[in-house]
Amino acid sequence: AQKITQTQPGMFVQEKEAVTLDCTYDTSDQSYGLFWYKQPSSGEMIFLIYQGSYDEQNATEGRYSLNFQKARKSANLVISASQLGDSAMYFCAMRGYYNQGGKLIFGQGTELSVKP
Amino acid sequence: GAVVSQHPSRVICKSGTSVKIECRSLDFQATTMFWYRQFPKKSLMLMATSNEGSKATYEQGVEKDKFLINHASLTLSTLTVTSAHPEDSSFYICSARNPGTGEGVNTEAFFGQGTRLTVV
Repeated sequence: AQKITQTQPGMFVQEKEAVTLDCTYDTSDQSYGLFWYKQPSSGEMIFLIYQGSYDEQNATEGRYSLNFQKARKSANLVISASQLGDSAMYFCAMRGYYNQGGKLIFGQGTELSVKP
Repeated sequence: GAVVSQHPSRVICKSGTSVKIECRSLDFQATTMFWYRQFPKKSLMLMATSNEGSKATYEQGVEKDKFLINHASLTLSTLTVTSAHPEDSSFYICSARNPGTGEGVNTEAFFGQGTRLTVV
């Protein structure tokens, strides 16, 4: 069975500072993908960043980077230079090689609040 | 990027009535779509996998007679909440993957805007 765990229900960060959102996962698949999504209060799911299990380098997308530690089964999201607009729910998700049709399994989410 | 449109964005209905939610892939054909349910500040829970031309695959604990899923075409999947009760009030969101980008683990899932259902 596959599982995603986000242990931080809520996080606060000062504007312009960096913040790390934790994500650990469990899977028996050798090939899998890890995703981070942002969900503002409007409800839409915004794709942020992707990391493949065979990618040797950590993924980066603008202010977002993924700290991938395969042996520890962790895929933490780092947001640099936080902005007020970063306040939202953040979800870590995984897709395994054998997932039917490519469904995503989501973690519990972390609510990030950026303080001015 | 690919676009998935979900309608309506908000709906209020009376107990006992049925509500239909539509999920459309606007610029690609989706043989598979996924329906999720989300409670406030909680995770997205997969309800079912919608397969074009065949029956949906429901996750354990999801009542298939309660949540009817139809995937009549390669661009449209519908979720019908039948005989709605207040406990069915929730945020429902669909997603689809563009098969043109491949079937690997790295293909992005595109989400609809979600539907906020309130049953009174």
